[in-house]
Amino acid sequence: AQKITQTQPGMFVQEKEAVTLDCTYDTSDPSYGLFWYKQPSSGEMIFLIYQGSYDQQNATEGRYSLNFQKARKSANLVISASQLGDSAMYFCAITTSSASKIIFGSGTRLSIRP
Amino acid sequence: SAVISQKPSRDICQRGTSLTIQCQVDSQVTMMFWYRQQPGQSLTLIATANQGSEATYESGFVIDKFPISRPNLTFSTLTVSNMSPEDSSIYLCAIAGQGADTQYFGPGTRLTVL
Repeated sequence: AQKITQTQPGMFVQEKEAVTLDCTYDTSDPSYGLFWYKQPSSGEMIFLIYQGSYDQQNATEGRYSLNFQKARKSANLVISASQLGDSAMYFCAITTSSASKIIFGSGTRLSIRP
Repeated sequence: SAVISQKPSRDICQRGTSLTIQCQVDSQVTMMFWYRQQPGQSLTLIATANQGSEATYESGFVIDKFPISRPNLTFSTLTVSNMSPEDSSIYLCAIAGQGADTQYFGPGTRLTVL
């Protein structure tokens, strides 16, 4: 079975600072994918970034990067130069080749201070 | 990526009634998914809806309570039957992206049961 652990229920960060959201995972499947989603107060789930288990380089999408450390089974999200609009819930998730469904972590609520 | 819409965006319903939520995609997709997000919680997969076959339900969810239709490759419905206040949640549909590396979500339906 797959599992995602997000140990930070909430974080406060000053605007323009970088922020790291922690995520660890557990799976016995050698082929898997890791995701980060953003959920603003409106409720929609916004896909941010994806990392495949066999990808050699860390994924990046604009201000978002995924710090993938396979041996540690961690997939932390790094947001550079945070903005007020980054305030939202952030979910880490995993899917494996043996299962089409995505398993979500409990989420981290990020609040950006002006 | 595909555009996903859901109707209604929100609703307030009386206990004992049923609500049907619609999910429309602007392109044909093989797999569609229905998720529930209870207040303050993460997302939980209800079922996978495949065109031409019955939906596959996750543990804890049954067809009598959450019947799903998938009449074609662009549309699906989820019905929440005989509602109780515990069904108050955000219900989200999702589609598999190209290569099934990720899932993209609709805007969600915010349901309150009184």
